[in-house]
Amino acid sequence: KNEVEQSPQNLTAQEGEFITINCSYSVGISALHWLQQHPGGGIVSLFMLSSGKKKHGRLIATINIQEKHSSLHITASHPRDSAVYICAVNAGGSQGNLIFGKGTKLSVKP
Amino acid sequence: EADIYQTPRYLVIGTGKKITLECSQTMGHDKMYWYQQDPGMELHLIHYSYGVNSTEKGDLSSESTVSRIRTEHFPLTLESARPSHTSQYLCASTSNRGTGNTIYFGEGSWLTVV
Repeated sequence: KNEVEQSPQNLTAQEGEFITINCSYSVGISALHWLQQHPGGGIVSLFMLSSGKKKHGRLIATINIQEKHSSLHITASHPRDSAVYICAVNAGGSQGNLIFGKGTKLSVKP
Repeated sequence: EADIYQTPRYLVIGTGKKITLECSQTMGHDKMYWYQQDPGMELHLIHYSYGVNSTEKGDLSSESTVSRIRTEHFPLTLESARPSHTSQYLCASTSNRGTGNTIYFGEGSWLTVV
């Protein structure tokens, strides 16, 4: 079992829909990251969380430390939101302190 | 805007050649990483560094080496390229200060070995 699990793996939505991507982790962490990667593109950081909730434009990220769970929400989704969304955690261990989920591929149809 | 740079962006080389992928960051970050990512697939850690003269191996390290002589520079060398090395290589950095800091990625180096 991976230490960082994301769901769903793939998600198709219609433009305007509210989208939720989930991330669960099984290790102790100091921070959690949500990252975005467009097809053929680089990876950009959307949020870094250690508690509570953060909002940036139409994106909202929440984390529940007790339940070891985080969600990324996209309101009023748009085709340009189509990308892979990756959850990563700062944890101890042999991965250089960063453990990545496998990503959620989001496709928003017009 | 991230200040982390990778060169070359695209490279085609022959089997058996030695290649060094460059990564530099101007943010003074302690931690730097190299990942390999095939299209549509997850990231695989190759090497990482917690600071100058500190390097550690990841899951895919056996056919490559890194060095960290300066804080800002973390080059990755493939001693003898093989077609199986064809992939995208991503460099990343973050700070070791505090409990967690934003991760910055370079734009990637696309390597094709023929």
